[in-house]
Amino acid sequence: GENVEQHPSTLSVQEGDSAVIKCTYSDSASNYFPWYKQELGKGPQLIIDIRSNVGEKKDQRIAVTLNKTAKHFSLHITETQPEDSAVYFCAAWEGVNDYKLSFGAGTTVTVRA
Amino acid sequence: DARVTQTPRDKVTEMGQEVTMRCQPILGHNTVFWYRQTMMQGLELLAYFRNRAPLDDSGMPKDRFSAEMPDATLATLKIQPSEPRDSAVYFCASGPGGPYNEQFFGPGTRLTVL
Repeated sequence: GENVEQHPSTLSVQEGDSAVIKCTYSDSASNYFPWYKQELGKGPQLIIDIRSNVGEKKDQRIAVTLNKTAKHFSLHITETQPEDSAVYFCAAWEGVNDYKLSFGAGTTVTVRA
Repeated sequence: DARVTQTPRDKVTEMGQEVTMRCQPILGHNTVFWYRQTMMQGLELLAYFRNRAPLDDSGMPKDRFSAEMPDATLATLKIQPSEPRDSAVYFCASGPGGPYNEQFFGPGTRLTVL
């Protein structure tokens, strides 16, 4: 099955700086990579996703990059704000006939004012 | 604004008691997932359904956990008997299915077994 590793486990950044979270996956057949943000006391919420036919996708201050050859993908948050403080999870979709997402262990991001 | 709803939001029970958690998926979604979240294990997939049929429940302890979808608007997760190690936050998620399976999570049920 798919194995997703996520680094770092915790990340503290100064407000206004950038934050980068990196994930690797093991199954070369995986072709959908969503990122979820979980705020305290809430369920994870999808913030951005990328499919294997593109290398980069942006949505305002967040962007995701994908390197299929190396089997890794990253989340970039620019101009961080206090409301970006949360736990972020990367995930990979396992295959054509399977509906499971494999999640990374999560990164706790703290934005210092 | 369509959302996944879960009840109860919090549950405190004593060891040995039965616990039932309920989930209402987003109308029109045909895939439903149950996850458990703990500090040690992170997000674990317990079971999931497509068109109300169970596709995979390999993540569930079979002797005490059961998951069902009595109809398209209700998914249940039962634990009988409950144990202290079952204490966790349980999330339900639903999705429209298809090749890129975006999942929408509910707010979770925080279970404490004393």
